[in-house]
Amino acid sequence: GAVVSQHPSRVICKSGTSVKIECRSLDFQATTMFWYRQFPKQSLMLMATSNEGSKATYEQGVEKDKFLINHASLTLSTLTVTSAHPEDSSFYICGVRPSSYNSPLHFGNGTRLTVT
Amino acid sequence: GIQVEQSPPDLILQEGANSTLRCNFSDSVNNLQWFHQNPWGQLINLFYIPSGTKQNGRLSATTVATERYSLLYISSSQTTDSGVYFCAVVVSGNTPLVFGKGTRLSVIA
Repeated sequence: GAVVSQHPSRVICKSGTSVKIECRSLDFQATTMFWYRQFPKQSLMLMATSNEGSKATYEQGVEKDKFLINHASLTLSTLTVTSAHPEDSSFYICGVRPSSYNSPLHFGNGTRLTVT
Repeated sequence: GIQVEQSPPDLILQEGANSTLRCNFSDSVNNLQWFHQNPWGQLINLFYIPSGTKQNGRLSATTVATERYSLLYISSSQTTDSGVYFCAVVVSGNTPLVFGKGTRLSVIA
């Protein structure tokens, strides 16, 4: 149980284009999903908390107009990197917790974004 | 916010050796998880352990919540154990995990 699917696993795009990353919980519902970013040889840093049916909550320093988050259903959240630039190249990964608060966070396999 | 410190930052082991990884946190936590990140970036859930001791094969973990630390034990290490081990905590409720900086483990044959 607690399977999280994230697509695509790898994407290369040109500078100035937009990229959409999907995060799906396959066998449970989640009102909250978390988006993290990881630069090479660094830890995972929280970007934003995605709330079903409402606006995402962004961490300080994360541009909400650049990283658009949509959480349209209890099983799907999307992260769109708009007008991507080379400095946005990173590993993006979503974490999902089943509705019970005292339960572990489960992660997708991540998306490696390269902007050329 | 809460601080999560992991030690050692890097560790090289001969295959078959045992090791202990440590995670200290600066405040009370509601939840603690250990992960193994493999070379492809996948985060593998090892333990969900807000307190007590758990074992899974060659791995075991102990969290002493009152003293704000957790330990991950790896016995009879194998080359496939290589990667980065992360400790992450939740302070309360439905809040996100806060990650430590990880321990980079290399197991050599």
